[in-house]
Amino acid sequence: DAKTTQPNSMESNEEEPVHLPCNHSTISGTDYIHWYRQLPSQGPEYVIHGLTSNVNNRMASLAIAEDRKSSTLILHRATLRDAAVYYCILRDGDFGNEKLTFGTGTRLTIIP
Amino acid sequence: DAGVIQSPRHEVTEMGQEVTLRCKPISGHNSLFWYRQTMMRGLELLIYFNNNVPIDDSGMPEDRFSAKMPNASFSTLKIQPSEPRDSAVYFCASRRGGTGYGYTFGSGTRLTVV
Repeated sequence: DAKTTQPNSMESNEEEPVHLPCNHSTISGTDYIHWYRQLPSQGPEYVIHGLTSNVNNRMASLAIAEDRKSSTLILHRATLRDAAVYYCILRDGDFGNEKLTFGTGTRLTIIP
Repeated sequence: DAGVIQSPRHEVTEMGQEVTLRCKPISGHNSLFWYRQTMMRGLELLIYFNNNVPIDDSGMPEDRFSAKMPNASFSTLKIQPSEPRDSAVYFCASRRGGTGYGYTFGSGTRLTVV
């Protein structure tokens, strides 16, 4: 599986935007970039995913570099409820390969 | 949509006992995954099923672990005999087929083997 690299931890002030980086220099053409987050004492929660183009949903935006070797998850206005571990994961989009392999993620702390 | 339902939420058992964890995936999802999470090893994929068929069980730690999916709406993960090192939070997740969908996780079962 292609690997991702994320900072171990980040801090951000409440009500400000947060940019969570992820490097994936060995990404292949069929790899989708997935982001999940895990709040304390809960299961992981899907945030967003994309292949080549930037993506937006109600939770966040995903900005993908043109060469696809890095991406950034953007939380437009952080709240205390966004404090979680955020995982950037590459998933092979080839049919039949469903594996989602988690790394150590970025622990995001929101400062009131 | 009730989400992925796991039971029990908490399980405490004695070493050597059999433990069965249960999962009901979201209706219409055709892939199901079992994960284990510990502080030391993080989130590990144990096994996944596609259309009720086990596809990859390379993450199952040893023969004491087994998983079944007898139909599209139910799966079990069994540990027999259980050991203290099996203590962890076990998550089940499901997903609809195709590249446009994410994975939905249950709330997990916290297993403690004493």
